Amino acid sequence: DGGITQSPKYLFRKEGQNVTLSCEQNLNHDAMYWYRQDPGQGLRLIYYSQIVNDFQKGDIAEGYSVSREKKESFPLTVTSAQKNPTAFYLCATRLDSRLANEKLFFGSGTQLSVL
Amino acid sequence: GNSVTQMEGPVTLSEEAFLTINCTYTATGYPSLFWYVQYPGEGLQLLLKATKADDKGSNKGFEATYRKETTSFHLEKGSVQVSDSAVYFCALSDPGQNFVFGPGTRLSVLP
Repeated sequence: DGGITQSPKYLFRKEGQNVTLSCEQNLNHDAMYWYRQDPGQGLRLIYYSQIVNDFQKGDIAEGYSVSREKKESFPLTVTSAQKNPTAFYLCATRLDSRLANEKLFFGSGTQLSVL
Repeated sequence: GNSVTQMEGPVTLSEEAFLTINCTYTATGYPSLFWYVQYPGEGLQLLLKATKADDKGSNKGFEATYRKETTSFHLEKGSVQVSDSAVYFCALSDPGQNFVFGPGTRLSVLP
């Protein structure tokens, strides 16, 4: 069954701790994205990757890090430098970011909360 | 830069009422336009899209027409159901650029 798998569904972070959110896709899409969504708010782009071994900062990259070592995987690490990490995190993929009519596919999200 | 503006919510309707959610955009190129829907605790799902002027996207009774002259892509449905309660996002995509999303409009449909 093709799609995007985000895990875990719920994650809790202690003070000063780094946590990693997983995003795996079997759609064979080149581009992958991480968005942050705060309650009642829209989406803000954290990081994106258009190809393996390359990624760029989005609008709110401070306190986050990513890697893209495999086409299928784009993990997001929320570091201790991110002082307000509580949010819903969404991973998305796109077949080809060069084409305007290619849609974004979204995972089911990870809710991160601070203990 | 590109931007998307949506009507502020929340929007509360009775079942079988007519729905309109306004969306206008600013873009430098020739974008494709999208409506996504998000149910509580879930990711976004594509509802419909249109890729050029005067195109009409439709799905599950929802429709939106790409109006270049008014830079709009308003979402409409003739008769809403309780199950349509969700948050709706208007978005645009220009070639080679990232998606730009509107802030979302929360719809509540009462039985």
